[in-house]
This record gives sequence, structure tokens and C-alpha cells, in this order.
Amino acid sequence: DAGVIQSPRHEVTEMGQEVTLRCKPISGHNSLFWYRQTMMRGLELLIYFNNNVPIDDSGMPEDRFSAKMPNASFSTLKIQPSEPRDSAVYFCASSLRPELFYGYTFGSGTRLTVV
Amino acid sequence: AQSVAQPEDQVNVAEGNPLTVKCTYSVSGNPYLFWYVQYPNRGLQFLLKYITGDNLVKGSYGFEAEFNKSQTSFHLKKPSALVSDSALYFCAVSEGDDKIIFGKGTRLHILP
Repeated sequence: DAGVIQSPRHEVTEMGQEVTLRCKPISGHNSLFWYRQTMMRGLELLIYFNNNVPIDDSGMPEDRFSAKMPNASFSTLKIQPSEPRDSAVYFCASSLRPELFYGYTFGSGTRLTVV
Repeated sequence: AQSVAQPEDQVNVAEGNPLTVKCTYSVSGNPYLFWYVQYPNRGLQFLLKYITGDNLVKGSYGFEAEFNKSQTSFHLKKPSALVSDSALYFCAVSEGDDKIIFGKGTRLHILP
């Protein structure tokens, strides 16, 4: 298995532009999580899905952020419009429920820079 | 709501010496506890977990962690550090729902 695949690995965009981050979870995993990592705030849970359904989006910072999971093998995190303070590494992770017994498998992350 | 604290931003240890990375937690019920490791430009990798049972949990790469309920701690340990252990280590906690909350991480430097 190739693991959790995220694209792109790096993204540099100008303030105000739309940014879309992509994630392909491990085949067979039915939970998917989006995290954001910064030096100041550490690792923050943004949103997670079970069986493609959003369960908790309380970590999504603002309405500028949205996430979708149209099928079991694909998810997107969109920022529109982007701002410099959105610069961070965004991680996607997947898991086979119950998560607590199997743990999460993380992707390599997308490093976003908004200038 | 659950929370986890890693009181040290950085820990320096000489190669061959024992290492400890500290973690304390707060949950309203029984805790589910985890340690993850992150190498440069990589995602987090699972090291070990405590769900129930023996307070001493053994994980990958020779690491172990001790659950202490009275001190609400879950410190990560290794008897003899390797230079290759240098990385960022995250403690995490859950209350048994779907969410795992991560600490801010502790950077471990193993000095040759």
C-alpha cells in the first residue's frame, strides 16, 4: 500500500487566491482527518470524516475553509480566499475504525505558503 | 474536553544514555494515550499506545511508555538513545471518541 497520499507537497500562492489540498486515504480506511501544523499552535485537528460524512468540523478556523469527501478514496481541503496566516503544513490522516486501536496513518503533508 | 501537555520544547541526550520525554494529560474519563514521532519533512508515525492493561507499554524502535494514573502522566522512555532517534515527538490523548488531541511536540536531540 502506498500509504496516505497528499498533493501537492508544496504550494505557494498569493493572498486572495483559492487553494485546494488533496488527500487519498489508505484503501479500506473509513475515517479521514485533516490537521494543520504550525510552530505557534502545534498540530490542530480541523475536521474529520467517518464513512465520507463530516463528523466534527469545530476545528475549521473560518468560513474560508471547507472540506469535502465525495467518496471513500478522495478528500479535499479548500481555502478561499487564502491569507498569509494560513501558511502551515496541512496533514491528512486516515484510520480504520475504531481509531483508538489502530491509530492514524499520516500523509507526508502539504506545505502551504501564502504570500 | 481532553488536553495534553508536553512541558519540554526540546530534550538533549547523549548517545547511549537513557532518554525520557514527558507528557501529562487531562481527560474526564479513562484516557487513551499515544506517542507519535515525526522526522523532517514527513508525516507523523505511530510509536505506541495505551488503551488498558499493563501500565508499561512497549512500542516501535525500542521505545516504551509508562502510564501513571495518579500523576496523569505518560512519559516516553528508551534505555539507550541512538542518534537516529533525533526527531519531533508528539504525545496524544483521546477520551474514547473519534478525536485524538496532540500535544505541541518535543524535539529530541541525541548528541553523538
